[in-house]
Amino acid sequence: QSALTQPASVSGSPGQSITISCTGTSSDVGGYNYVSWYQQHPGKVPKLMIYDVSNRPSGVSNRFSGSKSGNTAFLTISGLQAEDEADYHCSSFTSSSVVVFGGGTRLTVL
Amino acid sequence: EVQLVESGGGLVQPGGSLRLSCAASAFTFSNYWMSWVRQAPGKGLEWVANIKPDGGERYYVDSMKGRFTISRDNAKNSLYLQLNNLRVEDTAVYYCARVWVAAVDSWGQGTLVTVSS
Repeated sequence: QSALTQPASVSGSPGQSITISCTGTSSDVGGYNYVSWYQQHPGKVPKLMIYDVSNRPSGVSNRFSGSKSGNTAFLTISGLQAEDEADYHCSSFTSSSVVVFGGGTRLTVL
Repeated sequence: EVQLVESGGGLVQPGGSLRLSCAASAFTFSNYWMSWVRQAPGKGLEWVANIKPDGGERYYVDSMKGRFTISRDNAKNSLYLQLNNLRVEDTAVYYCARVWVAAVDSWGQGTLVTVSS
């Protein structure tokens, strides 16, 4: 049950696209299509942005998209906006029937 | 609107115990897997444990097995987490979480547990 690996930080300018990676193993990311992504603004509760690798909950902007290749999942944010500046956490269901999170990625909008 | 309200956090000495509670409302509690997720100050999220809708199955992250116990009372729409033999590194905000297809779709506001002498 080791944490998934995310870059500590990414940045982009308004209007650009960025992609955050989330690397696990065949026992989590690679073995199940149960990858989720959460957005967390400072001092706030996390918000679900993507579930089941690529599905968006109702109300989440279509600028957010998810994908997966092998043991690595990706969150792409297109048309970056200032309000997207936040921490992003990935998670995956595991073979131990628990969920494992990544360490989180700080997105800075320049 | 789904509501999850945690209580029971506080300051405790190393080796001590606490019982966290979560009161759920505005959804059919007995239909959902539930979980506890924690976040240490300035750190990422960490799954703690999850429990099946009928309470018949419980799963824990390895590092917390044997010290933490998740339970629920569907008649009271409540989720619990018993924390024993607490360590300094258990200091965190503990979130009550509703689980849906292995994702958390609703979060409580969290309750802070501080382990310090």
